[in-house]
Amino acid sequence: NAGVTQTPKFQVLKTGQSMTLQCAQDMNHNSMYWYRQDPGMGLRLIYYSASEGTTDKGEVPNGYNVSRLNKREFSLRLESAAPSQTSVYFCASSEEEPDTQYFGPGTRLTVL
Amino acid sequence: KQEVTQIPAALSVPEGENLVLNCSFTDSAIYNLQWFRQDPGKGLTSLLLIQSSQREQTSGRLNASLDKSSGRSTLYIAASQPGDSATYLCAATGEYGNKLVFGAGTILRVKS
Repeated sequence: NAGVTQTPKFQVLKTGQSMTLQCAQDMNHNSMYWYRQDPGMGLRLIYYSASEGTTDKGEVPNGYNVSRLNKREFSLRLESAAPSQTSVYFCASSEEEPDTQYFGPGTRLTVL
Repeated sequence: KQEVTQIPAALSVPEGENLVLNCSFTDSAIYNLQWFRQDPGKGLTSLLLIQSSQREQTSGRLNASLDKSSGRSTLYIAASQPGDSATYLCAATGEYGNKLVFGAGTILRVKS
């Protein structure tokens, strides 16, 4: 089992560009999450999906959109990237919320 | 609003020492509290999950305790090893349903 996978691992964008971060899990989990991690701060929840077909906002949703494509995949889209979105993005999944969460390796995004 | 604080921010100890990492949270109405480990440039790995009805959980050399009345959790690491060097994060369920709110972490260095 690969667990939780994320693509890409690294990305550099210019201000105003758009991109989609991909996340997939092979553990048949119902719940999936997107976090961002900034230096000196803990992880902050951007969006989550409690089950296939549902999504909801977390603590810092502004500037992001998500799609729960199917039970395995949960994508995060930046429509118009801003330097404030420079961060490390983590995807996670759990069997149900709020069970133990399993994390992907992260995507390091820089917005110039 | 749930807030999670971890003290100290960094800790350096000699190999073999027993150590305690501290986590405090402001809202005692938690569903569970989780401890994670993060290695540099990697995702998070779950260590222990304590349900709100439990007082402690143990896994190998790790023991986590929970005191909801005082809003505190501790992670005890016995006989520390250089391989324990990492950032340790705690997370408590917060106001977004049962979603996790993370502390900023404690950076642990175990010197050989």
